[in-house]
Amino acid sequence: DAGITQSPRHKVTETGTPVTLRCHQTENHRYMYWYRQDPGHGLRLIHYSYGVKDTDKGEVSDGYSVSRSKTEDFLLTLESATSSQTSVYFCAISGQGDRNQPQHFGDGTRLSIL
Amino acid sequence: SQQGEEDPQALSIQEGENATMNCSYKTSINNLQWYRQNSGRGLVHLILIRSNEREKHSGRLRVTLDTSKKSSSLLITASRAADTASYFCATDWSTGFQKLVFGTGTRLLVSP
Repeated sequence: DAGITQSPRHKVTETGTPVTLRCHQTENHRYMYWYRQDPGHGLRLIHYSYGVKDTDKGEVSDGYSVSRSKTEDFLLTLESATSSQTSVYFCAISGQGDRNQPQHFGDGTRLSIL
Repeated sequence: SQQGEEDPQALSIQEGENATMNCSYKTSINNLQWYRQNSGRGLVHLILIRSNEREKHSGRLRVTLDTSKKSSSLLITASRAADTASYFCATDWSTGFQKLVFGTGTRLLVSP
C-alpha cells in the first residue's frame, strides 16, 4: 500500500460537534483528495489540494473545510457535524507528472453522527 | 451530475469463469480508471486507459474503451475467489487538475 494513513479509523460523535479527520502521507505527493462514500453514490469528491495551502472545492463541499499546512498532511473538518455527514471518508493522493496518474487511497474513516 | 453508471450492480460467478463489468459515462474524458475495493478497505488502482487508447491489458485484466459510445468494459479472466470485491470505474473529465468521477460500482462474488 502507498504510505497513506487516515486517523481516526472510526469515530462516533453527536450532531453539532466539530470533527477533524486527518490524512497523512509519506510519499511526498503533490495532490491530495478527500472523498465520501455512501451506498448508491460511489465516491464523491469533497475537497482537493494541489499544494501546501492550495485547496479547492469538489462536488459535495458544503459543510466541510480543509487545510494543508504541510505537504504530508491534509485535514478535513466538519465545523458542526450533521447526521447527513455520516459516511465513510477516504483520502487519496496522486503524484506529479502528466495527468494520467492513478490515485492511491487510504483505508478510510468510518464516521457516525448521532 | 457527471457520475458514471456501472452494469451490472452485482455479479455472481464460479471460479474459473470470466467476469465482465461495464461502465458508461457522460462527458469527454482524459482517461478512465478502474479500481477494486475489498470490504472495509480503500480502493486499489487496477488499470488506467487514456482517451486515445482502445484496449489495455494487465495480467488477467482487459479493459476496453469506446469514446464514441462513452463506455468502457473490464474483463477479468479465469476468476478466483480472491477477486471477490467491488469494482469501480472513474473518469478524469476536468480541464484543470485531475478530478475523478466514480461510478456506483459492481459487486463481484466469485464462489469456489
